[in-house]
Amino acid sequence: GQSLEQPSEVTAVEGAIVQINCTYQTSGFYGLSWYQQHDGGAPTFLSYNALDGLEETGRFSSFLSRSDSYGYLLLQELQMKDSASYFCAGNTGGFKTIFGAGTRLFVKA
Amino acid sequence: ETGVTQTPRHLVMGMTNKKSLKCEQHLGHNAMYWYKQSAKKPLELMFVYNFKEQTENNSVPSRFSPECPNSSHLFLHLHTLQPEDSALYLCASSLRPQTSGGADNEQFFGPGTRLTVL
Repeated sequence: GQSLEQPSEVTAVEGAIVQINCTYQTSGFYGLSWYQQHDGGAPTFLSYNALDGLEETGRFSSFLSRSDSYGYLLLQELQMKDSASYFCAGNTGGFKTIFGAGTRLFVKA
Repeated sequence: ETGVTQTPRHLVMGMTNKKSLKCEQHLGHNAMYWYKQSAKKPLELMFVYNFKEQTENNSVPSRFSPECPNSSHLFLHLHTLQPEDSALYLCASSLRPQTSGGADNEQFFGPGTRLTVL
C-alpha cells in the first residue's frame, strides 16, 4: 500500500536545529510537501520538493531524495512558536495527496 | 486566515441525525477537498472536486455525501453516522491538480469542523 512514515515525536531546545525525517512508499510519486499544524489550527503549507535536493525558505529547509524514497524537513534557530505537528505529504498524481501521521515537535526553553 | 472558511466549527450529533458541513473558499481555486483527521492518524483524503466535478472518492462510506454546487462552495452531508466517525473534518482548496510543481501544489486548509457523534 501507499504510506509515509515519520517519527511521532521530536524534542529540541530553543535555538537548536532539528530534522524531521519522512520515508515513503507510494506509486506514481510526483513530489513531497510539508505542512505545519498548531493545536486547534489548520494545516499550513511550508514547502514542496518536486526534484531531488534542498529547498530553503528562511529558517525552514526541505530535502528530497527520490532514489532513497526519503525526505526531511530541517528547522533552524528553533523558536517556541515552532512547537507544532509537522506532516509530510506525498503527491501521487492528479488530485491525490497522501499524508503521514505527523511528527509532534516540542521546543523547550 | 487562509481564505477557506468552514461552518460550523463544532458539531455534536446523534447517530440518527442529519447534518451538513459547509466549506467556502475565496481564493479563486479550482480544486476542493474533504479530509478526515483523527487523533494520531494521518489525514485521510475523502473526496476531491475539480471544477465542481468529483474526481476522487476514497472509498468513503455512503453515510457521507459530498456536494459541490460551484467552485467556491463544498458541502458534506452527514446521516446515520457512527461514533467512530467523530473526528476533525478539514476542507482544503488548491489552484490546480497536484501534479503541478512548486507553489501550485499548496493546499489551503480551513479551520475544520470538530464533529462528535454520540
